[in-house]
Amino acid sequence: DGGITQSPKYLFRKEGQNVTLSCEQNLNHDAMYWYRQDPGQGLRLIYYSQIVNDFQKGDIAEGYSVSREKKESFPLTVTSAQKNPTAFYLCASSGQTNQPQHFGDGTRLSIL
Amino acid sequence: AQSVTQLGSHVSVSEGALVLLRCNYSSSVPPYLFWYVQYPNQGLQLLLKYTTGATLVKGINGFEAEFKKSETSFHLTKPSAHMSDAAEYFCAVSRGGTGFQKLVFGTGTRLLVSP
Repeated sequence: DGGITQSPKYLFRKEGQNVTLSCEQNLNHDAMYWYRQDPGQGLRLIYYSQIVNDFQKGDIAEGYSVSREKKESFPLTVTSAQKNPTAFYLCASSGQTNQPQHFGDGTRLSIL
Repeated sequence: AQSVTQLGSHVSVSEGALVLLRCNYSSSVPPYLFWYVQYPNQGLQLLLKYTTGATLVKGINGFEAEFKKSETSFHLTKPSAHMSDAAEYFCAVSRGGTGFQKLVFGTGTRLLVSP
């Protein structure tokens, strides 16, 4: 079945450490997205990519980085510059413009 | 720019009662509108969408929503709540038409269903 796979499901970060969240899709979608979800704040867009080797900052990109070397993959790195990284991170993808986004099951990041 | 307001962070209903979750949007151009549902520790699942055409949109699990341009609303309803409907619901908006557009999400409404 086609879908989006996020890994790991739970991740712990030590102070000063960078961590990378994986997102893979086999839906042949061009666009991919990363969102951060905090209680009571809904989803906020971190980065998005419309095509391979191109990506744009969303509303809260500071302290995060991404790459898009393959159509199927859009990993997110949470750097040590992100001072409040504890959150639920969701990856999504979409096909043609304005088509609904499909979501993975998320990664919950916590600080040790 | 687009924005979404969901009235009520929590809504409580009894099993079998009407479900009404409110969503108002702001958009300078004709919008596309979406409702998503999220179960605990999972991603979002699309319930229904409005793009163009018929303003009453039917989705999965018996949910429907009506696009009312004059009221800038896209409220989600279900005639009879089921225990399995307990989840968080998100309304989202994007600009309509061609070209890549980002989704803007509301802050969500948690639906509680009591026996």
